[in-house]
Amino acid sequence: GAVVSQHPSRVICKSGTSVKIECRSLDFQATTMFWYRQFPKQSLMLMATSNEGSKATYEQGVEKDKFLINHASLTLSTLTVTSAHPEDSSFYICSAWGFERQYNEQFFGPGTRLTVL
Amino acid sequence: TQLLEQSPQFLSIQEGENLTVYCNSSSVFSSLQWYRQEPGEGPVLLVTVVTGGEVKKPKRLTFQFGDARKDSSLHITAAQPGDTGLYLCAGDGGVQGGKLIFGQGTELSVKP
Repeated sequence: GAVVSQHPSRVICKSGTSVKIECRSLDFQATTMFWYRQFPKQSLMLMATSNEGSKATYEQGVEKDKFLINHASLTLSTLTVTSAHPEDSSFYICSAWGFERQYNEQFFGPGTRLTVL
Repeated sequence: TQLLEQSPQFLSIQEGENLTVYCNSSSVFSSLQWYRQEPGEGPVLLVTVVTGGEVKKPKRLTFQFGDARKDSSLHITAAQPGDTGLYLCAGDGGVQGGKLIFGQGTELSVKP
């Protein structure tokens, strides 16, 4: 159990375009989903926390108008990178937590490699 | 602000050697998770430790949670090339559904 999928796995886009990344919990209800950004050989950097049906909470320094997060259902959250620029190129990973979990373990998607040309 | 200091950040060893990774904090955590991540993939949960002093030993791995629940260690016995990856510790501050505090990660390379 506790499977999280992410789509697409890789995306290449031109500067100025918007890119949407989907994160789905396949076998449990994800009360909360998290979006991370990761640079090579580094740890995860939390971007935002989203609860189903509520506005996302962004970490300090993350532009909420640039990284739009929607968590419309208990199985789906989306991250839209608006007007992407080369500096937005990175590995984006989502994770999910469900209230039925006894502890705050998060289950991660396989990640999305974004390259902005 | 809760912080987790993870060490070492990089480790390159030969197959068959033993190693230990440490996570230390001045904060108390309700639980602590260890994850392993391979290149181009998401982290995979290895273990959750909850009780101070708890030790879990799945196969060649030994995870320990400090008595005061402020630190943890991961020990790998007889490392294999398949153990290569990024190891991450993550502390749970105790808020249900709350964010985890991640260590800086340990990049492990096991050479055959």
